[in-house]
Amino acid sequence: QVQLRESGPGLVRPSETLSLTCTVSGGPISTYFWSWIRQPPGKGLEWIGHVSTSGSPNYSASLKSRLTMSVDRSRNQVSLSLTSVTAADTAIYFCARDSLRSHHFDSWGLGTLVTVSA
Amino acid sequence: SYVLTQPPSVSVAPGQTARLTCGGDNIQTKMVHWYQLRPGQAPVRVIYDDADRPSGVPDRFSGSNSGDTATLTISRVEAGDEADYYCQVWLVTDNHRVFGGGTKLTVL
Repeated sequence: QVQLRESGPGLVRPSETLSLTCTVSGGPISTYFWSWIRQPPGKGLEWIGHVSTSGSPNYSASLKSRLTMSVDRSRNQVSLSLTSVTAADTAIYFCARDSLRSHHFDSWGLGTLVTVSA
Repeated sequence: SYVLTQPPSVSVAPGQTARLTCGGDNIQTKMVHWYQLRPGQAPVRVIYDDADRPSGVPDRFSGSNSGDTATLTISRVEAGDEADYYCQVWLVTDNHRVFGGGTKLTVL
């Protein structure tokens, strides 16, 4: 069974870059789309975007100008980079695998809390 | 952009039936998926493609989708069902995914 584990710094300064990694184990990283989803404290889920090994990444309109996602097949990792962060980017960040059918998420990581603060 | 509307909270007594709704314009034309979130745990898919249930999810969980409303029904509710539930759809126009605002299910 595939397992996803997010990792990265828990604290990022305002205006700096948030960088996270999702390590995939127990299953292939190719073929699938890999999404990042976040949940600000006390708020709902927000899909940020997805990436695959075979196509261009696809980002949410609200974050597109600050986002970069990529896949490293050799390391079985998916990465996220969000530039110029503010307190509004404080959230739990989840990595999730898109199902091969019907565009939903069939596997999720535990998530990692990122706080933006000076 | 497409908006999914969920009631912020639903309360139900143990053993009763909980019905969690997800409203969207002509949502019946889209496949709706549901996730259960508990603090400190990975989100879990409980229903996909409107009404399909992944292996391991109790058959007390069921889904339907008609008109402008999709519904997640939890029968014989247990204390362990207390969680936040989110609906999600795929937007074919831009290949984006959208979540509803989530419903907190409280078991009284």
